[in-house]
Amino acid sequence: GQSLEQPSEVTAVEGAIVQINCTYQTSGFYGLSWYQQHDGGAPTFLSYNALDGLEETGRFSSFLSRSDSYGYLLLQELQMKDSASYFCAVHGGATNKLIFGTGTLLAVQP
Amino acid sequence: NAGVMQNPRHLVRRRGQEARLRCSPMKGHSHVYWYRQLPEEGLKFMVYLQKENIIDESGMPKERFSAEFPKEGPSILRIQQVVRGDSAAYFCASSLPGQKFTDTQYFGPGTRLTVL
Repeated sequence: GQSLEQPSEVTAVEGAIVQINCTYQTSGFYGLSWYQQHDGGAPTFLSYNALDGLEETGRFSSFLSRSDSYGYLLLQELQMKDSASYFCAVHGGATNKLIFGTGTLLAVQP
Repeated sequence: NAGVMQNPRHLVRRRGQEARLRCSPMKGHSHVYWYRQLPEEGLKFMVYLQKENIIDESGMPKERFSAEFPKEGPSILRIQQVVRGDSAAYFCASSLPGQKFTDTQYFGPGTRLTVL
């Protein structure tokens, strides 16, 4: 089967750093993307890793270890507006369909 | 450059009726993906289309669901004889016409279908 596991909820305070982990088990792997979703709205692309290592985009960074089937999203200098659901998604095959994780609800507190 | 457009944003149907969901991809994008999201869950892939072709429908239920992406006009996801279990948010995503397996997908605002 294919599965991606994430923590269901994470709570942090404004200004802090938070890490959201993702472990995956899929039959095909062509990279790992991260999406943000506010209140069930349009998922917004954040970051993508095809190779092992860290990708940095402003306050957001994403890491991938293909040998461990593991990745994480790192959010720095948290702001209230970062409160949302975060999904990891594997690019699962030749058709580039995305296989989504279960989602992590991040609550940022003052 | 307008993003991915979906309409209607909200759709209410009674059991047994038909639902038609429309998706216009971003300008220059010719690949369209449909996903379904049940409450409190992640998105589940349904179907991948290019203009006039269904490329991958491995996530589509075998009955009542169909999709098309005609040469002109939006992509349509059609659900016949809806049942309460079809109530969900349906998202469309589009990507560039590249050959890579990793092109970024950009999502529309979704259509929230409620079946009474």
